[in-house]
Order: sequence, then C-alpha cells, then structure tokens
Amino acid sequence: DAKTTQPPSMDCAEGRAANLPCNHSTISGNEYVYWYRQIHSQGPQYIIHGLKNNETNEMASLIITEDRKSSTLILPHATLRDTAVYYCIVRGIIQGAQKLVFGQGTRLTINP
Amino acid sequence: GAVVSQHPSRVICKSGTSVKIECRSLDFQATTMFWYRQFPKQSLMLMATSNEGSKATYEQGVEKDKFLINHASLTLSTLTVTSAHPEDSSFYICSARLTGIGMAFFGQGTRLTVV
Repeated sequence: DAKTTQPPSMDCAEGRAANLPCNHSTISGNEYVYWYRQIHSQGPQYIIHGLKNNETNEMASLIITEDRKSSTLILPHATLRDTAVYYCIVRGIIQGAQKLVFGQGTRLTINP
Repeated sequence: GAVVSQHPSRVICKSGTSVKIECRSLDFQATTMFWYRQFPKQSLMLMATSNEGSKATYEQGVEKDKFLINHASLTLSTLTVTSAHPEDSSFYICSARLTGIGMAFFGQGTRLTVV
C-alpha cells in the first residue's frame, strides 16, 4: 500500500479556508486518494475522494497535483465543528478486498 | 452517505467473559466489512477484513481465535472478543465497503472496557 505523510497538527481561524496537505509519492496509477475525518470518540466520516482530477462536494474540495504525488484537502469556510483528525488515505488492494489503512492524520483545530 | 450502524456503543464486561459487537449496513449491501481497533490518542489499526460467506482475513499480530469475526449476511458482521482481558479495552470500529465504488463507511464505534 502506498503510504501517506501528513503534518501532525494544524490550526485555522473560524471562517477561513483550511488547507490540509498530504504527500503520497509512492502512489500507483490505479490508487485513489481518500479523505476521512474523525471527531473525538466517533467513527471516521467520509469526506471526499479522487483519482487525478480535482473534486468538489458539499463538504470540501480535493486538489491533486498533476504527478499525483501530493494532494490538498480544502475546507472553504472552516467552522468550530470542523475540529477533528483528518486522514489522507491511499486505497490499497489485497486479494480483491480494498482495505483502508490509516496513518496518523492531521489534528486540525479551528479557533474562534 | 450510506449508513453503518454499530451496536453497542459502549460495553463494560468482566475479565474472562466474551463480548459481541454487531456491525450493520442499513441501506446497502456490503460484501466486505473491516474491523479496526483504536487506542487513546492513536490512529485506527486494521484488525481484519471480513467477506460475506467466507473466513475473515486477519492482519499480522491479530489473534483470530481471540477476535472471532462472522459475516453471515450482506448486511451484518459481528466481532466477538473472547475471554476478554483489561488490555483488550479499546475503541472498536467497523466499516462497510460500498461494492463497486470502493469507499467505505464507518460505524460510530464501540467503547469496550474490561474490568
């Protein structure tokens, strides 16, 4: 499985855009980039995923570099409820089951 | 998004007893479910991959006889922690993969405390 590297923590002011980087330099051509977040004592919540094109949904935008070695998750107008640990994951494939392996993630704190 | 329900959300049990945790996909069929364990201030650690109608695949270092996984239907997988000990106290989380798309959705987790 391709590994990812994320900063351990970030701070962002409420109402501003939060930009969370992720490096995945060993990603292979058929692997997607997934983003999840985990609010304290809850299960992870799916945010967005992409292969090579930029993606946007009601929660966030995902920008993937042309060489696919890194990506950025953008929360356009961060709120206090966006405080969570954000995980960038590259989907691995083994024996036909596509497991999600979590790294350490980025602990994002939104400050009032 | 798709809904995955996990039950119970919290359980306290005595050492030596067994505890069963259920994971249900409520509005979709999941041929594959995953079980994770998370210790305080740590990331999720994948324990096993469960496929409907077949034996689970365990990650290295996870005892299959201690953590029994059953995936009897396309909407239900269970994890049984057998002969629980205090060191098994943890946050257990299941996820179900949406067939054909690849994304997985997660249950709300089960906080297990063994006393």
